[in-house]
Amino acid sequence: AQSVTQPDIHITVSEGASLELRCNYSYGATPYLFWYVQSPGQGLQLLLKYFSGDTLVQGIKGFEAEFKRSQSSFNLRKPSVHWSDAAEYFCAVGAANMLTFGGGTRLMVKP
Amino acid sequence: SAVISQKPSRDICQRGTSLTIQCQVDSQVTMMFWYRQQPGQSLTLIATANQGSEATYESGFVIDKFPISRPNLTFSTLTVSNMSPEDSSIYLCSAHGLAGDTQYFGPGTRLTVL
Repeated sequence: AQSVTQPDIHITVSEGASLELRCNYSYGATPYLFWYVQSPGQGLQLLLKYFSGDTLVQGIKGFEAEFKRSQSSFNLRKPSVHWSDAAEYFCAVGAANMLTFGGGTRLMVKP
Repeated sequence: SAVISQKPSRDICQRGTSLTIQCQVDSQVTMMFWYRQQPGQSLTLIATANQGSEATYESGFVIDKFPISRPNLTFSTLTVSNMSPEDSSIYLCSAHGLAGDTQYFGPGTRLTVL
């Protein structure tokens, strides 16, 4: 069975600092991996996705993620966080018709 | 990507009543999905809405409680029936994009049951 673990429930960073959100997955085949962001009172917006090829993928809003098969990880990074990045971030694994979501990481940004 | 809208955006309902949530996609899509997000929780798939046939429900969800319609390739509805306070959640609709490999989500419907 596929599963996703986001070890950090809450993370607080200062504006302008770098960010890394962790995601570990369990999947029986080559995974499709996704990161979504949910701003307060909003739906989910796709940040980026990995299907194959280059293991470092670029997304919207200056985010990137790196697929590491040996570590079963797909961590999300941003070099400089903005106050508007405060939101809930969800990692997901699977095919498009069967997504499994992690528990989410709530990001707070200090001024 | 597909652009998805949902109505209503939020509602407050009384125990024992039913609410129907509408989901509209701006282009024809093959698959549409309904999720529930309970307060402070992640997303749980309720069902896959199939065009022209009954929805496919995940374990723990039944048609009598969550009837779903999908009359065409751009529209679906989810009804939350005989509601109780435990049904208070955000309900999200999603659909595949044109390439069929990525799910795009609507803004969600925030339901509060008193």
